[in-house]
Amino acid sequence: QLQLQESGPGLVKPSETLSLTCTVSGGSISSSSYYWGWIRQPPAKGLEWIGLIFYSGSTYYTPSLKSRVTMSVDTSKNQFSLSLSSVTAADTAVYYCARLISGSGSAFDYWGQGTLVTVSP
Amino acid sequence: QSALTQPASVSASPGQSITISCTGTSSDVGSYNLVSWYQQHPGKAPKLIISEVSKRPSGVSNRFSGSKSGNTASLTISGLQAEDEADYYCCSYAGSTTRVFGGGTKLTVL
Repeated sequence: QLQLQESGPGLVKPSETLSLTCTVSGGSISSSSYYWGWIRQPPAKGLEWIGLIFYSGSTYYTPSLKSRVTMSVDTSKNQFSLSLSSVTAADTAVYYCARLISGSGSAFDYWGQGTLVTVSP
Repeated sequence: QSALTQPASVSASPGQSITISCTGTSSDVGSYNLVSWYQQHPGKAPKLIISEVSKRPSGVSNRFSGSKSGNTASLTISGLQAEDEADYYCCSYAGSTTRVFGGGTKLTVL
């Protein structure tokens, strides 16, 4: 059974960089059948797609965050990561990592449990 | 890239049916049959319940069904049960490998 687990600091200061890692177990991140993504959810608000990364390192970001987001992948560790720079209180959210079926399937079929990141001095 | 539009809330009694709409544009919902739906219970991660507009993943109840017409996708839940009370989100492919979510709909089972 595939599992995804987010990890990283739960508290980040304003103007600093938020860094999270998603560890994939029970399956290989190096499959051409999937993309790996980040989605966030501010408290009491809806889901926001942040971006996707392919095992080859190709990345795709939402336009509104593109200038501050960097995603990377480490196939040797079966992990992928998210960096969000110059954070403000508006970046406070539960951050989820998820697997996206590529091709015609195109849905997020496995999700991590989510990790709350608070931006505060 | 704007969020897809969903009603903020819907409610119905057990046994009844409800439909949640998800309205996008000709750049996302209207151009691709790649709309998915997710169910999220409080404090939990979203769960995929519909992919490619109308396909149910293994293990998802056949009380859940999806459809699309033009720029609007819809999720229908029939025979409402108490356990269906949750937030529901649509998501669409929006070109160039990007995705966009709807604002979410809170379903209350009365």
